Amino acid sequence: EAGVTQFPSHSVIEKGQTVTLRCDPISGHDNLYWYRRVMGKEIKFLLHFVKESKQDESGMPNNRFLAERTGGTYSTLKVQPAELEDSGVYFCASSQGSRGSYEQYFGPGTRLTVT
Amino acid sequence: GIQVEQSPPDLILQEGANSTLRCNFSDSVNNLQWFHQNPWGQLINLFYIPSGTKQNGRLSATTVATERYSLLYISSSQTTDSGVYFCAVDRDDKIIFGKGTRLHILP
Repeated sequence: EAGVTQFPSHSVIEKGQTVTLRCDPISGHDNLYWYRRVMGKEIKFLLHFVKESKQDESGMPNNRFLAERTGGTYSTLKVQPAELEDSGVYFCASSQGSRGSYEQYFGPGTRLTVT
Repeated sequence: GIQVEQSPPDLILQEGANSTLRCNFSDSVNNLQWFHQNPWGQLINLFYIPSGTKQNGRLSATTVATERYSLLYISSSQTTDSGVYFCAVDRDDKIIFGKGTRLHILP
């Protein structure tokens, strides 16, 4: 069974440009989470989808970040316009259930570098 | 690859008791974090602690990197502390999670 995949693995963009990250969860997983690690700091929760609905987006840093999950399958995270402090690694995870008892499977991450 | 083992897998305590959760890892790592999984499954960061000791209220954590383990202490536990606690390590952007400790605090 394929795990969580993320694309691209690495993106280098200039300040002010737009970048879209994609996450494909494990098939059948209704729950999809986005996390990020800003350079040298801890991993932090960004938001949580249950199917196509946003369950919680309290971790989104500001309105330059937009996440979607049309159709409840893959998800995209768009950063527009990107700023230098957005550099870091963005992780996606999926799980079968969301009541705290299901293991989350993490993707390999997308390393975003804003110059 | 790096192995992360958490112990105990399950822990049941009475409210007010203290608890210690352990995380062992098999190789040197760049970072270590402790998370609490909330009822909605979200992993909430508790400590980012590649080494040393940190405290936040009733919680504290200690990582001894040279001996490859970390401890999470919860003092005067409350029912709201119940849930699953995960330890995660990373090296070279690969995150490896332990299987977690499920903590039940009884009223």
